[in-house]
Amino acid sequence: GQQLNQSPQSMFIQEGEDVSMNCTSSSIFNTWLWYKQDPGEGPVLLIALYKAGELTSNGRLTAQFGITRKDSFLNISASIPSDVGIYFCAGQLGSWGKLQFGAGTQVVVTP
Amino acid sequence: EAQVTQNPRYLITVTGKKLTVTCSQNMNHEYMSWYRQDPGLGLRQIYYSMNVEVTDKGDVPEGYKVSRKEKRNFPLILESPSPNQTSLYFCASSLSPPTLAGRNSPLHFGNGTRLTVT
Repeated sequence: GQQLNQSPQSMFIQEGEDVSMNCTSSSIFNTWLWYKQDPGEGPVLLIALYKAGELTSNGRLTAQFGITRKDSFLNISASIPSDVGIYFCAGQLGSWGKLQFGAGTQVVVTP
Repeated sequence: EAQVTQNPRYLITVTGKKLTVTCSQNMNHEYMSWYRQDPGLGLRQIYYSMNVEVTDKGDVPEGYKVSRKEKRNFPLILESPSPNQTSLYFCASSLSPPTLAGRNSPLHFGNGTRLTVT
C-alpha cells in the first residue's frame, strides 16, 4: 500500500505568494524526487535529492531531504500562473527500480 | 526528438476483452516502467524493467502483464480487463533506475493513455 503522505492535498494561492508542501513516510527512503504534472501531460522531474539533509534549488524551487530520511519538502517562491499543476513527491522504496509516489498537491494560482 | 510514445491516447473497451497499450522510447534507455494514476492516489507503479528480458512487479501488478523483448518497447497487457482497471496509465523511461544517486537519470514520461473498461 501507499506509504507516502503528501500534504496539503490542494492549495489556492495568489500570484506572488510562496508555496510549501511536504511528504512524510513511515519508512526510510534513500532518494526523494519532486515532479510536476501539467494538465494532459505526464509528470516532469523538478528536483532530485539523494542525501539526508541535502537542500537543492532549481530556479524558484527549493527542496530538502529530511535528516531522518522520512520526509521532504518543496518550496516555490514568488508563484506565477504557470506554477499551476499537480506536484508529486516520490521516493525509492526497496529495490532500485521501485519508485513510490505521493498522492499529489494540486496548486492553483490566481492573479 | 527524444520522447516516450504511448498508444492509444484514449481507449474504451468492455470487460474481458484483451488489450495492449504500447510504449516506445527512442533514447536507448535501459529502465522502463508503467504507472496508473487515480484521483487521490497519485501514481502507482504497476511493473518496471531494468533492462531487456528483466521485469519486476511494482505495487499494483495484479491483472497486468508486461514484456521487454527489445530495449525500446515495453507494452502493457491486460488479458481480461475489469472496470477497476479504468484509469490513466503512464509509461516512463530513464537511462538507469531514476533513484540511483549521481546518475542524473530523470524519468521521462509519456503523455498517458486514458482507459475506460465498461
